[in-house]
Amino acid sequence: DQQVKQNSPSLSVQEGRISILNCDYTNSMFDYFLWYKKYPAEGPTFLISISSIKDKNEDGRFTVFLNKSAKHLSLHIVPSQPGDSAVYFCAASAWDRDDKIIFGKGTRLHILP
Amino acid sequence: NAGVTQTPKFQVLKTGQSMTLQCAQDMNHEYMSWYRQDPGMGLRLIHYSVGAGITDQGEVPNGYNVSRSTTEDFPLRLLSAAPSQTSVYFCASSPRDISYEQYFGPGTRLTVT
Repeated sequence: DQQVKQNSPSLSVQEGRISILNCDYTNSMFDYFLWYKKYPAEGPTFLISISSIKDKNEDGRFTVFLNKSAKHLSLHIVPSQPGDSAVYFCAASAWDRDDKIIFGKGTRLHILP
Repeated sequence: NAGVTQTPKFQVLKTGQSMTLQCAQDMNHEYMSWYRQDPGMGLRLIHYSVGAGITDQGEVPNGYNVSRSTTEDFPLRLLSAAPSQTSVYFCASSPRDISYEQYFGPGTRLTVT
């Protein structure tokens, strides 16, 4: 059973517009939620996180929103830039329990010129 | 400061052969993990370690062994390679206090024929 779900395998967005990547989770014990970005032939890099006690965290052009009641989080990128074209992984951790990080399958974001 | 290094970058094995994927980090991180990435499957946790001498299983541990004799090194051993282990393998490390913020190596692409 998939604990972290990214239901959109790919997403295309015009440069300058907002990119919204979505993620759902099933395990109510998760207390940290993460986004990682991955370029081809490279390892993933940490992008942004949010604790379960918050509903929003912002870092420059990147904002993550958490809706605990819906078990849903989203990553907003504004404005989208060509360098944002990558695969984005949503991940979650029950940090106080076992420190395992469970990843979703990823969403490939294409920024169109 | 090299971060997380992985060797080799590429490897081809025959079914039944054994080998060790090497991972080293120079950031004095307590936590280290091994993931595999397969098309359409995202990143799946194989084994992880919260410190020297301590290891635990992830989501897909079968067919793999790990040990952690030093803080710096976390090798992954394939005991008897199978075609199902054809994948890209990533090693990651993180500090204890923000264990969810992982630093990934560049990956090892393994093909088992």
